[in-house]
Amino acid sequence: NAGVTQTPKFRILKIGQSMTLQCAQDMNHNYMYWYRQDPGMGLKLIYYSVGAGITDKGEVPNGYNVSRSTTEDFPLRLELAAPSQTSVYFCAIGRTGVEQYFGPGTRLTVT
Amino acid sequence: AQTVTQSQPEMSVQEAETVTLSCTYDTSENNYYLFWYKQPPSRQMILVIRQEAYKQQNATENRFSVNFQKAAKSFSLKISDSQLGDTAMYFCAFMKHGGGGADGLTFGKGTHLIIQP
Repeated sequence: NAGVTQTPKFRILKIGQSMTLQCAQDMNHNYMYWYRQDPGMGLKLIYYSVGAGITDKGEVPNGYNVSRSTTEDFPLRLELAAPSQTSVYFCAIGRTGVEQYFGPGTRLTVT
Repeated sequence: AQTVTQSQPEMSVQEAETVTLSCTYDTSENNYYLFWYKQPPSRQMILVIRQEAYKQQNATENRFSVNFQKAAKSFSLKISDSQLGDTAMYFCAFMKHGGGGADGLTFGKGTHLIIQP
């Protein structure tokens, strides 16, 4: 997993609840990313960060927020969960911004 | 914006055979990177191989090699001497050059490769 950990592994949320998906790395890489993978699809970028204190939106940011107060951690916050956010969420890291190494994923179900 | 297309939803071959997975992409960029990622049933995304668009030589990694045709915007993956452990979803992905990875990866929908014993 190239030193990337994600918690929790699985979670079921009710509509309207909130939660934070955790991503932590021990590789001291500057670049961190959040992707979502819907059934039968490739991954889509939600948010990314090029270093502590710097974040920016990806392709599908609506309904999510992120923060990057340290190099190690890049949590993804879901506010007011909706069924459309049912997905598998992957965190990835990169040293140079080219190759990306992925965590094991979090499977989220919103019912 | 760029798009990545994988036209083979599923492929099945016998163990030890050679298999080629197809990928085409559309972009107006001249400098970029292309990748193949493997996703086994464990769901872990594993980088298989990468190609820089400015390099004419095709990348190889042990049993995995690519056929990169820049003019045709084609990037196929060849797996030689296929093994049971190669059974997985394979995703083709694109990244612009020069953005420091800030745009992330653009993925295709994937090809499910099944290696039969």
